[in-house]
Amino acid sequence: AQSVSQHNHHVILSEAASLELGCNYSYGGTVNLFWYVQYPGQHLQLLLKYFSGDPLVKGIKGFEAEFIKSKFSFNLRKPSVQWSDTAEYFCAVNANNQGGKLIFGQGTELSVKP
Amino acid sequence: GAGVSQSPSNKVTEKGKDVELRCDPISGHTALYWYRQSLGQGLEFLIYFQGNSAPDKSGLPSDRFSAERTGGSVSTLTIQRTQQEDSAVYLCASSLYPGQGLGYTFGSGTRLTVV
Repeated sequence: AQSVSQHNHHVILSEAASLELGCNYSYGGTVNLFWYVQYPGQHLQLLLKYFSGDPLVKGIKGFEAEFIKSKFSFNLRKPSVQWSDTAEYFCAVNANNQGGKLIFGQGTELSVKP
Repeated sequence: GAGVSQSPSNKVTEKGKDVELRCDPISGHTALYWYRQSLGQGLEFLIYFQGNSAPDKSGLPSDRFSAERTGGSVSTLTIQRTQQEDSAVYLCASSLYPGQGLGYTFGSGTRLTVV
């Protein structure tokens, strides 16, 4: 069965620090990859997605993610975090043969200290 | 409507009672998904609808859980004989069509507490 693993449950950073959140998935076929964000008290929003092409994907608010097929990874990065990035981040995978079903990781809570 | 609407936003129920959770997707969205978010865990897929049929209901945890969708629009998730482990946030999402996870819009969820 497919699974998604996020390495960090809770990350605490100071403003301007660099961020990298790990995400690994287990599925041998073609996948589409996503990062979602959930700000406190708000619903889930799409941060970025990878379907094909350039493995380095840029999303909203300065976030980017790199798909490394050989490592089954899709890590999220941001060079300099802001207090407003405090949120929970979810990695998700969709396999091409499973309709629109997404398999989510456990989530990583990011706390940014001002 | 403009977004995915879920009701109620909060529900407290006694163990053993039945509950119904409602999802009103974006108008015209053919695909509808239910997920469950438990404390400290990620989102767990429950079921998805294409129109009124459910091609994938593999995530329903037990036969106490059922869902239906009528008129290709509103969906209801029913939990019978609720247990404390059913306590979670139940999220609904819709998309124009069920391909590749495209264009998901999530609702705000229903927080279910079983006491």
